[in-house]
Amino acid sequence: SAVISQKPSRDICQRGTSLTIQCQVDSQVTMMFWYRQQPGQSLTLIATANQGSEATYESGFVIDKFPISRPNLTFSTLTVSNMSPEDSSIYLCSVGDRGVGYEQYFGPGTRLTVT
Amino acid sequence: AQSVTQPDIHITVSEGASLELRCNYSYGATPYLFWYVQSPGQGLQLLLKYFSGDTLVQGIKGFEAEFKRSQSSFNLRKPSVHWSDAAEYFCAVGKGAQKLVFGQGTRLTINP
Repeated sequence: SAVISQKPSRDICQRGTSLTIQCQVDSQVTMMFWYRQQPGQSLTLIATANQGSEATYESGFVIDKFPISRPNLTFSTLTVSNMSPEDSSIYLCSVGDRGVGYEQYFGPGTRLTVT
Repeated sequence: AQSVTQPDIHITVSEGASLELRCNYSYGATPYLFWYVQSPGQGLQLLLKYFSGDTLVQGIKGFEAEFKRSQSSFNLRKPSVHWSDAAEYFCAVGKGAQKLVFGQGTRLTINP
């Protein structure tokens, strides 16, 4: 399975600011995803990061709030913009590849606290 | 729409006892099914998966799961739990564009 790293691992941010989270994979992958896990909750898919084109967002998530970049097959970023306390969550990236049967592998997550 | 239900929010078992975590899904066709484990402060680790074929699948750490189409279930089992199994367990269903839909999770506590 792919080895996935995320930076930062955690951060405490002020309301109204933005944070960019990086996701790095040790091999080229077709699919990259970003999830949000609110405190005590399950995971919700934010968007699919598409290499060379705009991300595909799920219902309830918009590009202005969560802009995503995917410049190549091993790297993606998620920005949480104009943060409020409701954005306090763990943000996880995952990767998938049809060649290995559709399963997804997850990074360690970024724990974000907004004050 | 796809959905996953994990009826048990929290389960406590004694070390050495057997374990079964329940998962029911709703989907129009046979989906891909997964179990993930999340230890405190960690990301998710894939325990096992079902795509087709044998309905009893083996995973890592001594876990297994059985797909029952008639019951739309994919329950996770382990014959004897260890203290290190204490974690949050998530069932997920996926299809098509590889999107995963997760259940609410079951928190497992192990009594010594």
